[in-house]
Amino acid sequence: NAGVTQTPKFQVLKTGQSMTLQCAQDMNHEYMSWYRQDPGMGLRLIHYSVGAGITDQGEVPNGYNVSRSTTEDFPLRLLSAAPSQTSVYFCASRPLTGGRTDTQYFGPGTRLTVL
Amino acid sequence: GENVEQHPSTLSVQEGDSAVIKCTYSDSASNYFPWYKQELGKRPQLIIDIRSNVGEKKDQRIAVTLNKTAKHFSLHITETQPEDSAVYFCASGYSTLTFGKGTMLLVSP
Repeated sequence: NAGVTQTPKFQVLKTGQSMTLQCAQDMNHEYMSWYRQDPGMGLRLIHYSVGAGITDQGEVPNGYNVSRSTTEDFPLRLLSAAPSQTSVYFCASRPLTGGRTDTQYFGPGTRLTVL
Repeated sequence: GENVEQHPSTLSVQEGDSAVIKCTYSDSASNYFPWYKQELGKRPQLIIDIRSNVGEKKDQRIAVTLNKTAKHFSLHITETQPEDSAVYFCASGYSTLTFGKGTMLLVSP
């Protein structure tokens, strides 16, 4: 199993550009989520999904869109990049154990710089 | 929503000493409390977790304790080694996880 994979590993954008961060998992996990990590801020939840066709907002959703058309994939879209979105982005997945939280597995991360 | 406070933000110990990191949470519905270790440039890796129906859990040199009444939980690392140097995050939640801001642990030989 590859686990949770993310592409690209690094990306530099100019202000106003759009892009999609890719995330895929091969563990058949229903729950997938996106976090951003900034120095001294820990990991903050952007969006999450409990299954195909179902998404919800986390703590810091503004400026980001998500969709979940398959169990395996959960892409994160930046509609119009801003310097404040410079961060490291982590995708994570876990099984949906009766709705309660369970062991969560992280992808390797995408380091995004917006100029 | 849930609020998680983590202390200290940095912790320096000598090899062989013990290290303790503490977290408090606000949502009494939270029932899952994992701890993650993150090395520089790497992804967070789960090192130990505890559920609300358990007061303490141990795995070799690592232990976690939970006090649901006081809404706090702690990570204990005994006999620290230089390879324990990393950033440690606590988290708390029921269906989604809220993370603390992290503790940088430095173990000096």
